Amino acid sequence: GAVVSQHPSWVICKSGTSVKIECRSLDFQATTMFWYRQFPKQSLMLMATSNEGSKATYEQGVEKDKFLINHASLTLSTLTVTSAHPEDSSFYICSAASRNTGELFFGEGSRLTVL
Amino acid sequence: AQRVTQPEKLLSVFKGAPVELKCNYSYSGSPELFWYVQYSRQRLQLLLRHISRESIKGFTADLNKGETSFHLKKPFAQEEDSAMYYCAPDKAGGTSYGKLTFGQGTILTVHP
Repeated sequence: GAVVSQHPSWVICKSGTSVKIECRSLDFQATTMFWYRQFPKQSLMLMATSNEGSKATYEQGVEKDKFLINHASLTLSTLTVTSAHPEDSSFYICSAASRNTGELFFGEGSRLTVL
Repeated sequence: AQRVTQPEKLLSVFKGAPVELKCNYSYSGSPELFWYVQYSRQRLQLLLRHISRESIKGFTADLNKGETSFHLKKPFAQEEDSAMYYCAPDKAGGTSYGKLTFGQGTILTVHP
């Protein structure tokens, strides 16, 4: 079946640094990818919709300058958490919609810890 | 406001017992509704969607527009059904299968 891979699976960084998380569709093309954030024991919250070749669409309350999203190809979207602070520590999950079928597949998630 | 509610955070049943995970939604238009499941240490995966009206792993879900509900049911729960279950309407109205709003999730535990 279709696979979505996220890298890194977990990352620890110092406050003030930037962290990039990659989301790749391994065996299908995805014109649209989505980024979610999940706090402990809470549900997934949609952060933004990433469209290949165009600017991402951010949900209300999500800072676009804080969470930079780039979708340069049909198989890769990246989320960069800029000037990370401890409150940005969370589990970030991406999903990718198949270009052919529209079906959605999820990555395994990336855990960010900001010290 | 568009909202999805899963009233039970935890649900425990014994093996072989029927199980129902509740989901109520408040949405304008006609959203497409999904149930996603996350087994321990695994990624989120699609369980079923209302438009296909299929049964997956013995689970079914009926969309009740009058009650705005999309409850997930299984007549005989199995231990391997223990997982986190999310109800999720598609914000885009079914056009992208992607812009999902997730409910709070229900942790189902099936005891032997």
